[in-house]
Amino acid sequence: EVQLLESGGGLVQPGGSLRLSCAASGFTFNNYAMIWVRQAPGKGLEWVSSIGGGGRDTYYADSVKGRVTISRDNSKNMLFLQMNSLRAEDTAVYYCVKALPIGTRPAYWGQGTLVTVSS
Amino acid sequence: DIVMTQTPLSLSVAPGQPASISCKSSQSLLHGDGKTYMYWYLQRPGQSPVLLIYEVSSRFSGVPDRFSGSGSGTDFTLKISRVEAEDIGVYYCMQGIHLPWTFGQGTKVEIK
Repeated sequence: EVQLLESGGGLVQPGGSLRLSCAASGFTFNNYAMIWVRQAPGKGLEWVSSIGGGGRDTYYADSVKGRVTISRDNSKNMLFLQMNSLRAEDTAVYYCVKALPIGTRPAYWGQGTLVTVSS
Repeated sequence: DIVMTQTPLSLSVAPGQPASISCKSSQSLLHGDGKTYMYWYLQRPGQSPVLLIYEVSSRFSGVPDRFSGSGSGTDFTLKISRVEAEDIGVYYCMQGIHLPWTFGQGTKVEIK
């Protein structure tokens, strides 16, 4: 059974940093692209970032580019999202998402971790 | 960015009745590889989204066959043949042809 467990969310002041983690199990982690999608309170879904199975190919939404870094540790089945220079508009639930078996689009979603940026 | 427009934004359906949600993209989702990168997700109240349909019409693992997707180019439809209580929530379409992948605004489905 696929399991994705996010952690690292919390309350942070504007301009602060946070590192989100996602522990994956139940599948061969390095065979799959992984994705972060966020959802602001009461709002819709927004793709944030993606990373290929090998970790070399990374992609970012313009809204976070230059402030966020996606990475993975395939030896530990872990996905990360380092978030710097956080803004109020980054407040959201951040979902760790496993891609489809073929391709890189979102398939299986974790439960999410809430990031709140506020003074 | 590709804009995804869903209609209606809310839907009230009696159990056992059909439901239909439309999603229009601002650009064609047909890729040169022959695939059309259109996806549907359901977010039940208080839960994470789940994938229902990928590449227009393929049901994801475990998705009941009362869910079906259709369409081409820029116009797509998700149909539920007979709505059940567990189908309530917000349905999102998503385009996966060009980054940034973008979602529709969501369609809230409730039971009458």
